[in-house]
Order: sequence, then C-alpha cells, then structure tokens
Amino acid sequence: TQLLEQSPQFLSIQEGENLTVYCNSSSVFSSLQWYRQEPGEGPVLLVTVVTGGEVKKLKRLTFQFGDARKDSSLHITAAQPGDTGLYLCGCRAGGTSYGKLTFGQGTILTVHP
Amino acid sequence: DAGITQSPRHKVTETGTPVTLRCHQTENHRYMYWYRQDPGHGLRLIHYSYGVKDTDKGEVSDGYSVSRSKTEDFLLTLESATSSQTSVYFCAINDAGGGSYEQYFGPGTRLTVT
Repeated sequence: TQLLEQSPQFLSIQEGENLTVYCNSSSVFSSLQWYRQEPGEGPVLLVTVVTGGEVKKLKRLTFQFGDARKDSSLHITAAQPGDTGLYLCGCRAGGTSYGKLTFGQGTILTVHP
Repeated sequence: DAGITQSPRHKVTETGTPVTLRCHQTENHRYMYWYRQDPGHGLRLIHYSYGVKDTDKGEVSDGYSVSRSKTEDFLLTLESATSSQTSVYFCAINDAGGGSYEQYFGPGTRLTVT
C-alpha cells in the first residue's frame, strides 16, 4: 500500500498570509488529487495532477506535481477565512486498482480574520 | 454536485447492536467506496465495489461487511458495533471509465457507539 505523508498537520495563520501544504510519498504516483473538506461535509475535489512537473492554478491556489511524481504541493496566496478547512491529498494506486485512492492524513488549515 | 446521499446522517447506537449505513447515488457510476475518517488518519478505505455484487476489502475491513444489489445502492453493515467503530463514515463514487480516478463524496454519517 502506498503511503502518503502530508505536512504540516495543522496550520494556523492570519488572513492575507501565504502558505504551502506538502504531500510526499516514497513511491511514484500515477496521479494525485487534492481535496478540501469543510466541517460537517464530505471532501470536495479541487484538482487532479497527472504529469510530472505539472502546475495548475485555481484562483489563489497553485498545485504542483513533482518532476519525479513522488511529491506534490498546494500553495495558497493571500489566504482568506473562507479557505479554512481540511486539505487532503489522495493518490491513485497503480495497475488494476478499481479506482482506489490512498489518502494522506490531512492538513487542518485555520485562517483567522 | 454529484448525486450522492447517505443515510442516516447521524446515529447513536449501543455496543453489540447491528448497524447499517446506506449510500445512494444517481450518477450510475460503477465504483463505490466506503471510508472512515478519524482524527489524524485522513480517510481509510473500508470496502469497495466495482459492480453489482462485486465487492472487496479495503485496509480497515475487520468488523464491517458490505452489499451492493443495485448499481445505485451500497450498504455498509457493522454486524456488532464496538466503540472503536465510532467515526465519521463517507461514501464515494467514481466511474473511472475515462481513466479519471477522481472520487466524489457523500455528506457523511456520524456514528457514535456507546
């Protein structure tokens, strides 16, 4: 089973600050997804990265996939209280995996006004 | 939003009682999953289904069973609930038909076993 390590586990910042969340594995990813989860709700897909070195932007969020496809990062510029939530990375197991994903333990982000 | 509902949304039950959680989808997706979410553990896969009557175990399947008699419904059963099964349970779906492994989640069921 592929293991994903997310860091940091907790992040508490002031509105307007920048932050980066990391997702790392010792194995190569076939693809990687980032999800955001608000309290009392299910995770919501933010982005999928597939190609090594890929960079995707979603408004103030920038997602990078490492060249070797063993790590990924999520960078938020000028964080807002509405960014508060749990951020999860999930990677696809290779081969005949029936669409199964392995998830990191998550990063809890709190943005204070 | 993907059409996924879970029922019940909240449940309190006593140790030793059977509990069944239901996941219902309107997307006609082939693959369905049950996860549990606990602090510090992210999402852990309990069981999954790759078609009607086709299911398999995930990484934390002990104490759980599943059934899928129709494409749209995936049931998770705790045969004899224990306090260690207190958790938030999420159902997810994907179709993977186009090679996409993006999962779409239901709203969750908060289960408390006393």
